[in-house]
Amino acid sequence: GIQVEQSPPDLILQEGANSTLRCNFSDSVNNLQWFHQNPWGQLINLFYIPSGTKQNGRLSATTVATERYSLLYISSSQTTDSGVYFCAVVRLAGNTPLVFGKGTRLSVIA
Amino acid sequence: DAMVIQNPRYQVTQFGKPVTLSCSQTLNHNVMYWYQQKSSQAPKLLFHYYDKDFNNEADTPDNFQSRRPNTSFCFLDIRSPGLGDAAMYLCATSRDQGRLETQYFGPGTRLLVL
Repeated sequence: GIQVEQSPPDLILQEGANSTLRCNFSDSVNNLQWFHQNPWGQLINLFYIPSGTKQNGRLSATTVATERYSLLYISSSQTTDSGVYFCAVVRLAGNTPLVFGKGTRLSVIA
Repeated sequence: DAMVIQNPRYQVTQFGKPVTLSCSQTLNHNVMYWYQQKSSQAPKLLFHYYDKDFNNEADTPDNFQSRRPNTSFCFLDIRSPGLGDAAMYLCATSRDQGRLETQYFGPGTRLLVL
């Protein structure tokens, strides 16, 4: 099946810093989503971005489908950004479910 | 607000005692999913319903069953919980089954097995 690798696995930031999270995938996809899982376990959709660039406030994401990676940018980080960020994809070929990466655990300290 | 609701948020059960987790949605979505997420791991799909059609993942243990009595509700039944079934159980929905659909998650039920 498709492999989804996220990096870094863990990240500690000072409040106000910027960061870039990366998601590499091993096959062509037509569905890629970024999620934030807060410390209480809620998974929140950030972006549906199988290709191109999107922005939502301090967050933005870029997917380069031809090179099989996606980036999530967090600017001016806040303590409420802490949690785990998951990338999840659906492979282009075949009827496969959403496959999650292992996530990046982000801790933003004041 | 349209949303995905899971009850209870925390569930404690005894080893071997059947337990049922509940999910409801006000989004009127056709597809409902159940995921299991163990500590520090990614969510793992157990099964999903497309309308009334049940789709089981190949590696989902027989101990896990599901029911969807109507569009709004879906239940996860664990017939004989073992210690290894302690996890967060996440319900999600999508408008349709296509690969291009966005999934929306509920807050999860954290299951503890004693």
